[in-house]
Amino acid sequence: GEDVEQSLFLSVREGDSSVINCTYTDSSSTYLYWYKQEPGAGLQLLTYIFSNMDMKQDQRLTVLLNKKDKHLSLRIADTQTGDSAIYFCAESNNDMRFGAGTRLTVKP
Amino acid sequence: KAGVTQTPRYLIKTRGQQVTLSCSPISGHRSVSWYQQTPGQGLQFLFEYFSETQRNKGNFPGRFSGRQFSNSRSEMNVSTLELGDSALYLCASSPKPRETNEKLFFGSGTQLSVL
Repeated sequence: GEDVEQSLFLSVREGDSSVINCTYTDSSSTYLYWYKQEPGAGLQLLTYIFSNMDMKQDQRLTVLLNKKDKHLSLRIADTQTGDSAIYFCAESNNDMRFGAGTRLTVKP
Repeated sequence: KAGVTQTPRYLIKTRGQQVTLSCSPISGHRSVSWYQQTPGQGLQFLFEYFSETQRNKGNFPGRFSGRQFSNSRSEMNVSTLELGDSALYLCASSPKPRETNEKLFFGSGTQLSVL
């Protein structure tokens, strides 16, 4: 089957940039998404990118897409303690598939 | 607009019992999808309902079932509960079916513990 892979953990210091990486295998994916899950909560859509784009910026968030390598990344600038959460990458092409999630820990 | 609402928030059951979870989608959304989230398996797709019809089903046993009502509210039922069914069950809604690549909006989930 098709897989979406992410590293499980990332730890950064407050004020630094965080980069969360994701690889996917379905080259026909139309949309790629980043969701955030805080403790005890559901998934919140953070941002998404259409497959014909290579970059999207939204305030502190920058999404980079390398379609050739099937690599997606989420950069969070000036990371804050409130950014501590699990971040899920997802791809969509007539179906939505999620990665296992990256747990981001922000240390003061 | 109110978000996706799931009830109850927490449930504790024992093996062999059955359970029913409820999901109210965002107003105007007709697609409701259910996911099971566990630490070991991540997010696993259970099924999707659109206009009261099941459109897709994940790889789960027949003990897992669902339905959707005319107001788009959906229920999920698990019968003969097993310890391994302990998980966070998430519901997501969207205006159109998942295959149209619509964004999904998630509820906060129902945390089910099977003892």
